[in-house]
Amino acid sequence: DAGVIQSPRHEVTEMGQEVTLRCKPISGHNSLFWYRQTMMRGLELLIYFNNNVPIDDSGMPEDRFSAKMPNASFSTLKIQPSEPRDSAVYFCASRQQQLGNTIYFGEGSWLTVV
Amino acid sequence: AQTVTQSQPEMSVQEAETVTLSCTYDTSESNYYLFWYKQPPSRQMILVIRQEAYKQQNATENRFSVNFQKAAKSFSLKISDSQLGDTAMYFCAFMSPYTGTASKLTFGTGTRLQVTL
Repeated sequence: DAGVIQSPRHEVTEMGQEVTLRCKPISGHNSLFWYRQTMMRGLELLIYFNNNVPIDDSGMPEDRFSAKMPNASFSTLKIQPSEPRDSAVYFCASRQQQLGNTIYFGEGSWLTVV
Repeated sequence: AQTVTQSQPEMSVQEAETVTLSCTYDTSESNYYLFWYKQPPSRQMILVIRQEAYKQQNATENRFSVNFQKAAKSFSLKISDSQLGDTAMYFCAFMSPYTGTASKLTFGTGTRLQVTL
């Protein structure tokens, strides 16, 4: 079975540009998470969806960040406008809550804002 | 709020030896899940092992096993017969099984493990 699929794997963009990160969760999973990893702050949960509905977005740093999950097989994380401090690895992860609660991660999207 | 503490920022072990990574957590819940994830230089997050708090038996996955001490809120990872491919950052994580805002992974700060020849 395919795991969590993220795109792009790497992105370098200029400050002020819009960045869109994409995620396809594992088929049949009903929860989706966006995490950010930086050296300074470690792994932080940005937002969490359950059955396509945002449950907890308290980790979204500011209004420049937005996330959507229009259907069970796709989610986006958008940063507009991007800033250098947004440079990080962004992970998407998914889970089937009724099947043991294990969260599986994608390979991450490396974002560099210059 | 739950917290997860990994007190060993870095560890080193020789190939074929055994190493134990420490993790403690704080929670008032009686049922929850604990995980160890491995992050190699590729940065991918790979599940190593999981433990349900209601199970007294320690989880084991091949060379990886845990020592789960619920009363002490301790969840250490033992890697036996260490291999060069075990070199990675290891994260301990806690999750409540309930829905809502509690149902998310809370990570420790990680332990960087270096396996040497």
